[in-house]
Amino acid sequence: EVQLLESGGGLVQPGGSLRLSCVSSGFTFSSYAMSWVRQTPGKGLEWVSTITGSGESTYYVDSVKGRFTISRDNSKNTLFLQMNSLRADDTTVYYCVRGGVRWYSDYWGQGTLVTVSS
Amino acid sequence: DIVMTQSPDSLAVSLGERATINCKSSQSVLYSSNNKNYLAWYQQKPGQPPKLLIYWASTRESGVPDRFSGSESGTDFTLTISSLQAEDVAVYYCQQYYNTPPTFGQGTKLEIK
Repeated sequence: EVQLLESGGGLVQPGGSLRLSCVSSGFTFSSYAMSWVRQTPGKGLEWVSTITGSGESTYYVDSVKGRFTISRDNSKNTLFLQMNSLRADDTTVYYCVRGGVRWYSDYWGQGTLVTVSS
Repeated sequence: DIVMTQSPDSLAVSLGERATINCKSSQSVLYSSNNKNYLAWYQQKPGQPPKLLIYWASTRESGVPDRFSGSESGTDFTLTISSLQAEDVAVYYCQQYYNTPPTFGQGTKLEIK
């Protein structure tokens, strides 16, 4: 059974940093691109970033370029999202997702809430 | 970016009746080399993450009831629930994964009439 378990969310001040993690199980992690997708009541679902299975290529939505960094540790079946220079509009639930660019998202974690507020 | 526009925003259908949700992409999501439309449908129930229902516009994900079907006509896509069940109450999203960034429709809320 495929499982994706996110952690690392929480409350952070504007300009601060957080690192999200997603531990995966039930599939060959290194064979799949992985992504982060966020969801806000106002903006709906928004793709944030994708990393290829090998980790060689990464992709970002324009609004997070230069601030967020996606990475993975295939030896630990773990996906990361380093979020710096956080802004109020980054406040939302972040989902770890299997799949990404040029592929559908077939498994989603339960999500982790990030709140950026002073 | 490819804009995905769903209609209607909300829909109320009687149990056992057909529900139809539409999605239009601002440009083609058909990849000519494999003749596949890079379009997926997701179902999201309250308090849960989205769940994949349909990919390649019309391929049902394993375990999804066959009352769910997807179709396409150019840049117009349709999700049909042939006979609405109570457990189908949810928000439904379409998504194109042809281009970066992958983009989602705004969602259609499906309720029981």
